[in-house]
Amino acid sequence: DAMVIQNPRYQVTQFGKPVTLSCSQTLNHNVMYWYQQKSSQAPKLLFHYYDKDFNNEADTPDNFQSRRPNTSFCFLDIRSPGLGDAAMYLCATSRTGTASYNEQFFGPGTRLTVL
Amino acid sequence: AQSVSQHNHHVILSEAASLELGCNYSYGGTVNLFWYVQYPGQHLQLLLKYFSGDPLVKGIKGFEAEFIKSKFSFNLRKPSVQWSDTAEYFCAVNGNQGGKLIFGQGTELSVKP
Repeated sequence: DAMVIQNPRYQVTQFGKPVTLSCSQTLNHNVMYWYQQKSSQAPKLLFHYYDKDFNNEADTPDNFQSRRPNTSFCFLDIRSPGLGDAAMYLCATSRTGTASYNEQFFGPGTRLTVL
Repeated sequence: AQSVSQHNHHVILSEAASLELGCNYSYGGTVNLFWYVQYPGQHLQLLLKYFSGDPLVKGIKGFEAEFIKSKFSFNLRKPSVQWSDTAEYFCAVNGNQGGKLIFGQGTELSVKP
């Protein structure tokens, strides 16, 4: 089945230690999104890639970076995680040029714990 | 400013009760509306969506929602809830060019057997 895959599902890191979260998709979608969902809060968009074009949200901290080496993969890098970065990180995809472009498909998320 | 407001933070119902979760949005221009569900420990799943056409949309698992443009609302309904409907429900909106989803703060639904 076509899907959005996130690895790892659970990640524990230490305060200040860089961490990378991974997202891959078999849907052949050209748009990929990263959302942050803190406990008991709504998901909040950090940034997205429209093909190779990176689009950062204005309030996303510089501590968060992203890479998209190819259509299928997208990475979220947190350069120096703080305690406040503990959250669920959700990857989503969509595809332009289709009737359902406006719909996003979500992965299972990676739960990040910062010690 | 673009925003989505869900009226209830936590709803507790008994099985077979009817459900209505409120959602109001503030968004300029044409909107697409969504309801997502997040079961305990699981990922976000799409329940239903509205892009255009019939304002009454039916989704999976017996859920439906009605888009009332004049009220900027997209309330979720189910005639008879089951224990398995216990989950968190998120209303979300984006514009006609897709892109960023703006989510409401979520409603936690607890269904007592």
